[in-house]
Amino acid sequence: KAGVTQTPRYLIKTRGQQVTLSCSPISGHRSVSWYQQTPGQGLQFLFEYFSETQRNKGNFPGRFSGRQFSNSRSEMNVSTLELGDSALYLCASSGDRGSDTQYFGPGTRLTVL
Amino acid sequence: QQQVKQSPQSLIVQKGGISIINCAYENTAFDYFPWYQQFPGKGPALLIAIRPDVSEKKEGRFTISFNKSAKQFSLHIMDSQPGDSATYFCAASKEGNTGKLIFGQGTTLQVKP
Repeated sequence: KAGVTQTPRYLIKTRGQQVTLSCSPISGHRSVSWYQQTPGQGLQFLFEYFSETQRNKGNFPGRFSGRQFSNSRSEMNVSTLELGDSALYLCASSGDRGSDTQYFGPGTRLTVL
Repeated sequence: QQQVKQSPQSLIVQKGGISIINCAYENTAFDYFPWYQQFPGKGPALLIAIRPDVSEKKEGRFTISFNKSAKQFSLHIMDSQPGDSATYFCAASKEGNTGKLIFGQGTTLQVKP
């Protein structure tokens, strides 16, 4: 099976812009989680989607949002970008509630200038 | 609030030595404890995971030791190799909620030849 894929791999934006990142989970996986990774804060949970519904949300401002489509692909959107949003955004997929393992994609490196 | 504390922040060991990384958690509702390995430019990959019903789990050169009463768990890498040089993250999640991982801050391991 192909692994988790994320597009684009690199992105440069300026403050105030918005950005959309995409994640395609492993075939058959219905849960998609998003994480932000920065040198200072480490890996922080953003949100999780399962069967097109958000079932968990982390402590991030409302500028961070996401959605999941019927084919389990997910997108996350960040509006009104700030310099502090520069980070590696990781997507992870897992089978369902009975499957523990999260499989991570390579991430999207977002730089905000 | 940091719910999972990891130490040390960095670790240097000689080839063939034992690498030990420790984590402590606060939330007694956590019941799933995975360890992830991350190489530069890659997403984290699951190494090994444990649940509180066992005190130790071994997979090849990697062993998790778990102390429920102390709310601590650790990763031991036996016969450490230069190829093990990477960043290691411990994590925790609540029962039935493995889509939301709470990560430790990470340990950068360097194995010297």
